Amino acid sequence: DTGVSQNPRHKITKRGQNVTFRCDPISEHNRLYWYRQTLGQGPEFLTYFQNEAQLEKSRLLSDRFSAERPKGSFSTLEIQRTEQGDSAMYLCASSLGGTGGAEGYTFGSGTRLTVV
Amino acid sequence: GNSVTQMEGPVTLSEEAFLTINCTYTATGYPSLFWYVQYPGEGLQLLLKATKADDKGSNKGFEATYRKETTSFHLEKGSVQVSDSAVYFCALSDRSGNQFYFGTGTSLTVIP
Repeated sequence: DTGVSQNPRHKITKRGQNVTFRCDPISEHNRLYWYRQTLGQGPEFLTYFQNEAQLEKSRLLSDRFSAERPKGSFSTLEIQRTEQGDSAMYLCASSLGGTGGAEGYTFGSGTRLTVV
Repeated sequence: GNSVTQMEGPVTLSEEAFLTINCTYTATGYPSLFWYVQYPGEGLQLLLKATKADDKGSNKGFEATYRKETTSFHLEKGSVQVSDSAVYFCALSDRSGNQFYFGTGTSLTVIP
């Protein structure tokens, strides 16, 4: 397994456009998490899935943000009508069940979004 | 609620110097504690962890001890190398693993 894969690595978009990011977790991991990291800050939790079920989404930053994991494998994070304040690194992580609480997550390399 | 506070950077050290990065936490229950490292342009890599009081996590010469009485998890390394230059994040998770709480990160630069 090659770890958690995120695409694209970089995305530059104009304000008002929609963007979608993809995350492929480690294949045997059934939990998938999305975090956002702004410059000089630690990652901030957005949402997570167990298999295809989105178990927590109250921390998504606004209704412009949505995430899916339709078949319990890869996930997508969409931002509609992007704003300059959405510029950040978007990190995906995965774990096997709740073991992340003791074992930690495996993070991908992130997608860096720049809104111009 | 849960939160992590870590010392502000940036930290600049000469090669072979001793490193300490302070981390304290606030948590309900009995969290697990972690240090992650982030190299430029990359995601986070797990450096070490401890799941209960008095546990010592260690990896690549780095160590941290889970101190419940002082709610701390300070990162130490006896002799840093240039390749240790990165940003270090302290984090905690409750037993469910549903969410991690990260500190703001400490940037370390090691000069030859």
